[in-house]
Amino acid sequence: TAGITQAPTSQILAAGRSMTLRCTQDMRHNAMYWYRQDLGLGLRLIHYSNTAGTTGKGEVPDGYSVSRANTDDFPLTLASAVPSQTSVYFCASSPQQGSWTEAFFGQGTRLTVV
Amino acid sequence: AQKITQTQPGMFVQEKEAVTLDCTYDTSDQSYGLFWYKQPSSGEMIFLIYQGSYDEQNATEGRYSLNFQKARKSANLVISASQLGDSAMYFCAMDIRDTGRRALTFGSGTRLQVQP
Repeated sequence: TAGITQAPTSQILAAGRSMTLRCTQDMRHNAMYWYRQDLGLGLRLIHYSNTAGTTGKGEVPDGYSVSRANTDDFPLTLASAVPSQTSVYFCASSPQQGSWTEAFFGQGTRLTVV
Repeated sequence: AQKITQTQPGMFVQEKEAVTLDCTYDTSDQSYGLFWYKQPSSGEMIFLIYQGSYDEQNATEGRYSLNFQKARKSANLVISASQLGDSAMYFCAMDIRDTGRRALTFGSGTRLQVQP
């Protein structure tokens, strides 16, 4: 079972360049999320999508954009990367049905902006 | 706004002993979920245990239990009989409903090291 697949696994990116982090899930979950993880700060929500066709801003959305054209894919785009966007990025999904359910995470993308 | 606080950046425990990782939360919501995740050095996020705000019993999953004290707004993770493989980062998280959004809010994490 694949679950959530993120690509690439890691990337070094020149400042000012654009990049799209890919995320695909095969669990038919309604909700998807992008988090960034920085040392000492835990995981912070960048953007989310409750269902295909809708997106919303999380805690730290500046410099990032997302789209949700279908249920399975939730790409994250950095239009013009800056060094402060160096981080580990996690994509996650959850069913959002009924009561509370845990989020399922991808393996992460380690991004270094130089 | 909802907030999760983990005050222990690092913890040490001897193998086979029990350890408690602290987590406090702040929310005005009456209905919420509390979660613990484990992140080993390989980096993946592994779900451990969940507690609902209306659950009267503390959640247990094998060697993991959640000490839920609603009045104190705490949701501490207890790991019994620690194993070397328990060495990892542990994150407490809360499921929130905020203007139509449901998403996990995470604490800053506790790094647990199990010593032989």
